[in-house]
Amino acid sequence: KQEVTQIPAALSVPEGENLVLNCSFTDSAIYNLQWFRQDPGKGLTSLLLIQSSQREQTSGRLNASLDKSSGRSTLYIAASQPGDSATYLCAVRPGYTSGTYKYIFGTGTRLKVLA
Amino acid sequence: GAGVSQTPSNKVTEKGKYVELRCDPISGHTALYWYRQSLGQGPEFLIYFQGTGAADDSGLPNDRFFAVRPEGSVSTLKIQRTERGDSAVYLCASSPDRDTEAFFGQGTRLTVV
Repeated sequence: KQEVTQIPAALSVPEGENLVLNCSFTDSAIYNLQWFRQDPGKGLTSLLLIQSSQREQTSGRLNASLDKSSGRSTLYIAASQPGDSATYLCAVRPGYTSGTYKYIFGTGTRLKVLA
Repeated sequence: GAGVSQTPSNKVTEKGKYVELRCDPISGHTALYWYRQSLGQGPEFLIYFQGTGAADDSGLPNDRFFAVRPEGSVSTLKIQRTERGDSAVYLCASSPDRDTEAFFGQGTRLTVV
């Protein structure tokens, strides 16, 4: 059974710092992995999608990497800003052989960037 | 539409009542998902539609929960005989097909009193 873990659960950093959020998954047979941002009381905003054949994806100050064999993904945020404060969720979609197309989520990392 | 729309945004209901939650996916998206999120937790899968059919309903917790998507666009999640434990945020997502990026709505916060 696929399980997704995110460490740390919470993180506070001063503005301007570069930071790394971690996501690990137990079954390396994934189809893709997606990182989301969730603001308090809101839905999820898609940040980056990495297909299983890719190693990384970049969008602006965000860079997500994927190491399928070790069951890990990282989200790197450069030059953090107070507006980056939110909960960041990672979700994996199992491979076709699992017979399912659902995303399995971690519990998230709650990030606070201090001005 | 511009994004996934969910209505209502908030719903308070009494224990034992029936509720319906609506999801309008992005136009043209064939894949539609329902998730449930409790406070401090990640979203938990409920059901996945590909077109009009429920391709995976393995996440529905029991037979009080049912979802439909009769014309392959709008979906309704139906909960019978609501219980206090059903209180959560119900999220809907859609994607162009089953292999691509999923886009989420703002959710419906259901409170059962």
